[in-house]
Amino acid sequence: AQTVTQSQPEMSVQEAETVTLSCTYDTSESDYYLFWYKQPPSRQMILVIRQEAYKQQNATENRFSVNFQKAAKSFSLKISDSQLGDAAMYFCAYNVQGGSEKLVFGKGTKLTVNP
Amino acid sequence: DTGVSQNPRHKITKRGQNVTFRCDPISEHNRLYWYRQTLGQGPEFLTYFQNEAQLEKSRLLSDRFSAERPKGSFSTLEIQRTEQGDSAMYLCASSSRGTGRTRETQYFGPGTRLLVL
Repeated sequence: AQTVTQSQPEMSVQEAETVTLSCTYDTSESDYYLFWYKQPPSRQMILVIRQEAYKQQNATENRFSVNFQKAAKSFSLKISDSQLGDAAMYFCAYNVQGGSEKLVFGKGTKLTVNP
Repeated sequence: DTGVSQNPRHKITKRGQNVTFRCDPISEHNRLYWYRQTLGQGPEFLTYFQNEAQLEKSRLLSDRFSAERPKGSFSTLEIQRTEQGDSAMYLCASSSRGTGRTRETQYFGPGTRLLVL
């Protein structure tokens, strides 16, 4: 079965500091994309960052970066200089290229940012 | 580009009633997805459309659920004879085979929160 595991149900970080959210996944496919989505309370899910599995270079988007370890099937998200607006549920997901490309999500990590 | 919209945002119904939700995707997106999210869980895939064709359905989608996407534009998700276990957030997402960062990225709507009493 294709699964995504987020082992940290909750995390907290002080404003301006750095936090890393963990994610592991399991797929037998070779062509897939990985994603981190953010879901603020009562607001819609938005894409934070994505990584193509065939790319060795880790993706970065401003204060957000990933550590993609393909052999270990690990895809962690690092948030630098945390801001109050980063507080949200963070979901790790992947989809296999070809076919429906439906997303398979983890259960999420609730991030709290303390002032 | 106004993003993905969903209506209604909230729905309360009694067990046994039928409900219908609507999703309007981003206008140029030919792919549309429905997901269900229960409390404390990540979204789970329900069904997928490419243009007007429904190409994949999850086994989560029981016979009481039906989805349509006439003319490949908006989509509706209908639940017949609702049960308390249907209470969840129903999310719609759309995507297209674009270029660069937008390629195949799914953009989500705000969801419809269903409560079955």
